Amino acid sequence: DVKVTQSSRYLVKRTGEKVFLECVQDMDHENMFWYRQDPGLGLRLIYFSYDVKMKEKGDIPEGYSVSREKKERFSLILESASTNQTSMYLCASSRIDRLYSNQPQHFGDGTRLSIL
Amino acid sequence: LAKTTQPISMDSYEGQEVNITCSHNNIATNDYITWYQQFPSQGPRFIIQGYKTKVTNEVASLFIPADRKSSTLSLPRVSLSDTAVYYCLVGSPWSYIPTFGRGTSLIVHP
Repeated sequence: DVKVTQSSRYLVKRTGEKVFLECVQDMDHENMFWYRQDPGLGLRLIYFSYDVKMKEKGDIPEGYSVSREKKERFSLILESASTNQTSMYLCASSRIDRLYSNQPQHFGDGTRLSIL
Repeated sequence: LAKTTQPISMDSYEGQEVNITCSHNNIATNDYITWYQQFPSQGPRFIIQGYKTKVTNEVASLFIPADRKSSTLSLPRVSLSDTAVYYCLVGSPWSYIPTFGRGTSLIVHP
């Protein structure tokens, strides 16, 4: 079974801090994703990566950056945390299969981040 | 990217069949339809995926009409544990960018 592990379930940081959220997957998936989830807004894609050192912006990349130095690890970075970045952050991974269906995404259980 | 429209919420009772419809008027020829389920404090979980007609697995069925402009997720004989948010997505094998939307919040009552 695919396992996507996020480093923290709960995290509290202060405004202006640099925050790192870590995600590791154990199934050698090419794709990795970072989402945030807010009440009434569903899941919104922040960034995704389809290979090591490759990244693409999602719908809401402002205020965030990402790093993928190894295939199994995808980090989300809040360069200078602000209160409007208080949210649930979800990481996911999936396999690339260009010929057939979209391969399902496998999600971690999320990090609930509070910026004070 | 094809957008999807789902009801915001639905209510049902234990033992009933629940059908959640998703509209995707601009679905492209290569797009597949995928449904996820999310429980509180967990990440979404893949339920079912299809391209046309009907797909069934141990959890649900997915009905897709010929024009593919909508799809219906069918949950047979729901229980309290089916209370969750259900997301419909459309996308092609060549599209890396999945769009989840707001989903449908299903509440199953005793």
